[in-house]
Amino acid sequence: NAGVTQTPKFRILKIGQSMTLQCAQDMNHNYMYWYRQDPGMGLKLIYYSVGAGITDKGEVPNGYNVSRSTTEDFPLRLELAAPSQTSVYFCASSYPGRDEQYFGPGTRLTVT
Amino acid sequence: GENVEQHPSTLSVQEGDSAVIKCTYSDSASNYFPWYKQELGKRPQLIIDIRSNVGEKKDQRIAVTLNKTAKHFSLHITETQPEDSAVYFCAAINAGGTSYGKLTFGQGTILTVHP
Repeated sequence: NAGVTQTPKFRILKIGQSMTLQCAQDMNHNYMYWYRQDPGMGLKLIYYSVGAGITDKGEVPNGYNVSRSTTEDFPLRLELAAPSQTSVYFCASSYPGRDEQYFGPGTRLTVT
Repeated sequence: GENVEQHPSTLSVQEGDSAVIKCTYSDSASNYFPWYKQELGKRPQLIIDIRSNVGEKKDQRIAVTLNKTAKHFSLHITETQPEDSAVYFCAAINAGGTSYGKLTFGQGTILTVHP
C-alpha cells in the first residue's frame, strides 16, 4: 500500500491564483482530513469527510473548499490565494473505530 | 468542544536523560489519547497511544500515563538519543459517536537531545 499520498510537494502561488491540492489513500479509509500547519505551530483542521459525498468544516475552513467524489480521493481547493494561506498542508485518513490517523507527506505552499 | 494544552513548548535534554511532556484536556468524555512525532520536514507519525480504560502503556523507551480524574496525560521518553529530537504532539478525542475521528491536537513540544 502507498498509504496517503499528496501532490504537489511544493508550490508557489501568486496572490489571487487558485490551485487544487491532491490527496489520495489506498487503505479504504472512510474518514479523511485536511490540516494546515503554520511554522512552529500545531495542526489545525480545515475540512474533513466521513465518506464519499459527505464533507464538513473544521476549525479553519475560510478560503478553502473540498469535495469527495470517491473513497480514495479528497482534494482541497484554494480560491483566490492569500499570503495568510502560506503553510504546510497535510492530508490524513482513518478507519472508523480504529482512531489512528495516517498522514500524507505534506504540501508546502507559499503565497507571494 | 475539546481543548488540549501541551507543555513545555520546548525541551532540551542531554543524551541519556529522560524527557517528559505533559498534556491536559478539557472534555471528560475524551477516551483516546495518541502521541505523534514529527521530524523536521516530515509527516506526523503515531508513536504511542492510550485509551481511557488503561492508566499506563509502555513501548520500549517510551511510555504514556493517563490520569482521568485530573484530565491529564504525559509522554515519558527514557534514555533519550539524538534521533529522538523532533516535535511531539499530543491529541485527544471522544472516539466513537459523532466525533468522526477528529483529533484535537496540542500545540506541540520541540524536543532537542544534545549528544
